[in-house]
Amino acid sequence: TQLLEQSPQFLSIQEGENLTVYCNSSSVFSSLQWYRQEPGEGPVLLVTVVTGGEVKKLKRLTFQFGDARKDSSLHITAAQPGDTGLYLCAGGHDMRFGAGTRLTVKP
Amino acid sequence: DAGVIQSPRHEVTEMGQEVTLRCKPISGHDYLFWYRQTMMRGLELLIYFNNNVPIDDSGMPEDRFSAKMPNASFSTLKIQPSEPRDSAVYFCASSGWAADTQYFGPGTRLTVL
Repeated sequence: TQLLEQSPQFLSIQEGENLTVYCNSSSVFSSLQWYRQEPGEGPVLLVTVVTGGEVKKLKRLTFQFGDARKDSSLHITAAQPGDTGLYLCAGGHDMRFGAGTRLTVKP
Repeated sequence: DAGVIQSPRHEVTEMGQEVTLRCKPISGHDYLFWYRQTMMRGLELLIYFNNNVPIDDSGMPEDRFSAKMPNASFSTLKIQPSEPRDSAVYFCASSGWAADTQYFGPGTRLTVL
């Protein structure tokens, strides 16, 4: 089983601050996905990264896939209360999920 | 297009009762996944199907849990008998042939008293 470790587990910041969360593994992945889950809902896909070193931007969110395709990061610029949620990474042929980073952005 | 549909949305039952959760995947998707989510254990993969065939059920906690997919548009997850520790939110998700993007249903919140 390919395990994904996410850090930090919890993050609480003020509106306007920047933040980075991480997804790490000892295994190589052909692709990694990032999801966001809001309370009472299922996870929703944000992005898929496929190529080592790849950087993808989604408005204020920047996703990077490590050169060795073992890790990924998500950077949020000028966080807003609407960014609050559980951020999950997933990968592997059977789509296993990390434990997630629970982000709270205070107004 | 309708997304993944799960029913019921909420289920409250007593210990020892049988519970059946239902899922209708997105039409045309080849993969179907069942997950369980709790605060303590996060999102755990229970079982997944490819073209209605169970591929990996190593995440199923014990024999009390069973899952079926009789056709491409319907799957069930059954717990018999249920126990309080089974209380969780159960998600169904489906994906296309590449299995690299999962679309989740709204989940079933199960409470076993």
